[in-house]
Amino acid sequence: DAGITQSPRHKVTETGTPVTLRCHQTENHRYMYWYRQDPGHGLRLIHYSYGVKDTDKGEVSDGYSVSRSKTEDFLLTLESATSSQTSVYFCAISGPLAGGKTYEQYFGPGTRLTVT
Amino acid sequence: GIQVEQSPPDLILQEGANSTLRCNFSDSVNNLQWFHQNPWGQLINLFYIPSGTKQNGRLSATTVATERYSLLYISSSQTTDSGVYFCAGGILTGGGNKLTFGTGTQLKVEL
Repeated sequence: DAGITQSPRHKVTETGTPVTLRCHQTENHRYMYWYRQDPGHGLRLIHYSYGVKDTDKGEVSDGYSVSRSKTEDFLLTLESATSSQTSVYFCAISGPLAGGKTYEQYFGPGTRLTVT
Repeated sequence: GIQVEQSPPDLILQEGANSTLRCNFSDSVNNLQWFHQNPWGQLINLFYIPSGTKQNGRLSATTVATERYSLLYISSSQTTDSGVYFCAGGILTGGGNKLTFGTGTQLKVEL
């Protein structure tokens, strides 16, 4: 299994509060991604990173920001949480590692966030 | 944008039966993955299959890139196969491999 952890695994917060979710990898992969999963929508890309301090927006980026100060850590921040951001958040990583060719993505265990 | 469509949306099987899940994707997709999300929410990689055929035990997958579809075959299904099966189409860019997911096939395998 790919070495990906997410923290916290569960969180309940109130509307208007800031929230930061952390993704940590031990695989030294260059690319990292944040997705959210909602009923009826599958998973949708929020933001992604292609290196330290290199990030860009995905399909549903409004209300979210990210940071990557180290290869192994990718943070997702909700500056002011809203009820519409209640969701399950997944982090993913992909290569290729040196000499490899595949960009296969591997997913972390997810964080269940509830905004009340 | 990228389109990824899966069928059927729901499937109920008796243990031991075989099934085929289908994924259609749009022109811009240049690689494809299949995942199984188990009842505990974990996403498990099944196949990374931009084209061709791969097999892993009772599961196999075929992607026909020129016709924009992929098939996932499950043979001799077991109750542990239950869950949601997702396909995801990817576009390779300088930013990595951005995936667009289908809405999934919910599979229930009964005794």
